[in-house]
Amino acid sequence: GAGVSQTPSNKVTEKGKYVELRCDPISGHTALYWYRQSLGQGPEFLIYFQGTGAADDSGLPNDRFFAVRPEGSVSTLKIQRTERGDSAVYLCASSSGGAETQYFGPGTRLLVL
Amino acid sequence: QQQVKQSPQSLIVQKGGISIINCAYENTAFDYFPWYQQFPGKGPALLIAIRPDVSEKKEGRFTISFNKSAKQFSLHIMDSQPGDSATYFCAASFDRGSRLTFGEGTQLTVNP
Repeated sequence: GAGVSQTPSNKVTEKGKYVELRCDPISGHTALYWYRQSLGQGPEFLIYFQGTGAADDSGLPNDRFFAVRPEGSVSTLKIQRTERGDSAVYLCASSSGGAETQYFGPGTRLLVL
Repeated sequence: QQQVKQSPQSLIVQKGGISIINCAYENTAFDYFPWYQQFPGKGPALLIAIRPDVSEKKEGRFTISFNKSAKQFSLHIMDSQPGDSATYFCAASFDRGSRLTFGEGTQLTVNP
């Protein structure tokens, strides 16, 4: 079956612009996670959805970052007023409810010039 | 705050050798410890995982050793192959479905 997909695979934007990153989880997975991975580092947690609601958003670095999952499936990570320090790979993962295994997508590589 | 520390940062082994990667954690509330493998341009993929009620888990050539009292766990790759060359991350979480806290990663190179 299809795994987690993320679009776009690469995004180049200018400082100050707004970007949206999309995640399509594995069908039927109720839990969805966003992580950010800087070069040479491990992924860092951003936000976790259980269904449509954000169960834990404590990893969002500031109020420029926001994520939604309106129908409990696809999720969008939104970044306002992008800064060069936002450049990273943004990873999405999903899991079936109550399961431990998180399945990761290939990531979106964001470059802010 | 770094709650999971991983070493070494990089590791080079010969084909057929044993690769050993170590991790230490701080928070005793962690109760799930997975290892992920990541190839360039790909997302992390679960390799093997353990819970603290067992001291060792083996799946094929991959073994996790867990020392609860020392708050340490390690990944052993037996008979390492060039195809194992990748970045490996240890991680930890508090309970089912919660966030993963990752180590810094180990870049493994297996020479032919």
